[in-house]
Amino acid sequence: QKEVEQDPGPLSVPEGAIVSLNCTYSNSAFQYFMWYRQYSRKGPELLMYTYSSGNKEDGRFTAQVDKSSKYISLFIRDSQPSDSATYLCAMSAYEGGGADGLTFGKGTHLIIQP
Amino acid sequence: AAGVIQSPRHLIKEKRETATLKCYPIPRHDTVYWYQQGPGQDPQFLISFYEKMQSDKGSIPDRFSAQQFSDYHSELNMSSLELGDSALYFCASSPGDRQETQYFGPGTRLLVL
Repeated sequence: QKEVEQDPGPLSVPEGAIVSLNCTYSNSAFQYFMWYRQYSRKGPELLMYTYSSGNKEDGRFTAQVDKSSKYISLFIRDSQPSDSATYLCAMSAYEGGGADGLTFGKGTHLIIQP
Repeated sequence: AAGVIQSPRHLIKEKRETATLKCYPIPRHDTVYWYQQGPGQDPQFLISFYEKMQSDKGSIPDRFSAQQFSDYHSELNMSSLELGDSALYFCASSPGDRQETQYFGPGTRLLVL
């Protein structure tokens, strides 16, 4: 079993809908939680990051972390066709004194229908 | 805004050959990370450097080595290439040890024939 589980989709929704993307994880040491957007054949683009549990909002995007359930979510409001991409969750356990690599989910392929 | 620069963008090699990938981090970023992404797969962490010293090590094969230079650019050296090494190789950079703010480059697409 992977440390981070993410439904690969595809997830298809009409334009303007609220999108909910989710990941679950098993490593309780994870403290930093990130969401990346990746277009085909491009590098992942950092959307948001959160530390520990709680919510964070940035424009149309809201990230939620529930460490007790080992569950994180990304909500996209007023979805646009340009939001169509693969969304990857990523996590890291900060152990101090260095720069740790990220553990990614497999990514959810999102399609916003015009 | 300046982004991470990777070169070359595309590379074709034969089995058992050697490849060198280069990464130039965002200005004032002193930390570099390398990832490998196979077709339809999520990025797998290989190795990172913070202040020119190896910081964290992931699933990097012994055939691969990397280093970070005085100007903070990094190179990933891959020897005895195998067909399974065909993948997208990403470099990311962050300021200091802030691994939660890793910014990825466009990647190098390596094809091993």
